[in-house]
Amino acid sequence: GAVVSQHPSRVICKSGTSVKIECRSLDFQATTMFWYRQFPKKSLMLMATSNEGSKATYEQGVEKDKFLINHASLTLSTLTVTSAHPEDSSFYICSAREGLGETQYFGPGTRLLVL
Amino acid sequence: DAKTTQPPSMDCAEGRAANLPCNHSTISGNEYVYWYRQIHSQGPQYIIHGLKNNETNEMASLIITEDRKSSTLILPHATLRDTAVYYCIVSPSGSARQLTFGSGTQLTVLP
Repeated sequence: GAVVSQHPSRVICKSGTSVKIECRSLDFQATTMFWYRQFPKKSLMLMATSNEGSKATYEQGVEKDKFLINHASLTLSTLTVTSAHPEDSSFYICSAREGLGETQYFGPGTRLLVL
Repeated sequence: DAKTTQPPSMDCAEGRAANLPCNHSTISGNEYVYWYRQIHSQGPQYIIHGLKNNETNEMASLIITEDRKSSTLILPHATLRDTAVYYCIVSPSGSARQLTFGSGTQLTVLP
């Protein structure tokens, strides 16, 4: 199957700083990428959908000015958590879909810990 | 998107078939049934999907009832590495629709 990578795999930062997470589709072009968040013992919750070259669509309750998403190319999307706080500590997972393909492929996730 | 109902947990003996059920009684005609699994602290892994015919790949088989209101994921010979949370999701294909994850089934394969 298609491969999606994320970097970094884990990050620890101080409260008030910003953290950037990269999501790359390694062997296909992803016109649509999705960002999810998962808290311990909970299911994945969609944060936003991004299409290459256009603004991301955020789910209700997700602050677009806090979680900046850029999908500048067909193989790369980035999520920047700005002014991170301890409550932003979570497991962030991206997924990517090729064109109008039927399947989403997920990255391995990034564990963020804000101190 | 149609909602799905899955048992919260199941056990299976190693080497035996694991049959994971899913109810999706409100599924629409253009919605596919997708199965993903998530091993602890990893991203979800795609397993299989189908519309109305049964499907099989190297990982699993998907059996969809004729009325499409339920389905069963079959892992023919479960191994310890198949221990994971299994998610059944229904979603239209060919669009930018996201996948909505429920709580899934925690499958534990026992030695």
